Amino acid sequence: QQQVKQSPQSLIVQKGGISIINCAYENTAFDYFPWYQQFPGKGPALLIAIRPDVSEKKEGRFTISFNKSAKQFSLHIMDSQPGDSATYFCAASISYNTDKLIFGTGTRLQVFP
Amino acid sequence: DTEVTQTPKHLVMGMTNKKSLKCEQHMGHRAMYWYKQKAKKPPELMFVYSYEKLSINESVPSRFSPECPNSSLLNLHLHALQPEDSALYLCASSLTGVEQFFGPGTRLTVL
Repeated sequence: QQQVKQSPQSLIVQKGGISIINCAYENTAFDYFPWYQQFPGKGPALLIAIRPDVSEKKEGRFTISFNKSAKQFSLHIMDSQPGDSATYFCAASISYNTDKLIFGTGTRLQVFP
Repeated sequence: DTEVTQTPKHLVMGMTNKKSLKCEQHMGHRAMYWYKQKAKKPPELMFVYSYEKLSINESVPSRFSPECPNSSLLNLHLHALQPEDSALYLCASSLTGVEQFFGPGTRLTVL
């Protein structure tokens, strides 16, 4: 119940295309869903996050779509660029039981020119 | 200052050595974390300090010993490690607990 399932494991996208990464969870107590971007040899960086009271959040080329009834959320990267090539982790947390982030397994994105 | 810093960037140690990893943040965050990350895997939580007190220990072997000298500093003392402990060790900090900000990590190799 504490798991967050992430797919695909790897993704290859042409420059300018849309990258889509999906995550699913079981625990309905989760109420904070961040996405992290990690470049090789670096620490994860908080990219964008959403709470279940909204269905979509957009920051620049990055959009989170959230489907509360399906217990799914996804990251869309519009106009993907080679500089977006990184590993992306979704995560989930329970606000009142803070400090624990449950990470997905990660998606390695490669954007080719 | 809006970042988490970690030293050293790389560390190579033998199984009988004692070494320490250091982490620092000056964002006024109340919580600091140690994570371990193996290649192609997500970070795994090891320890959490909240208001300088150890609040979470994820059943980590005693050869890893955390220390929080003050609200800005976090150490991880290493002793008698095994080769399988080789990994990227990440420090993070947070004000709220849910928004966690990670440092660049220390790449540890145990010979």
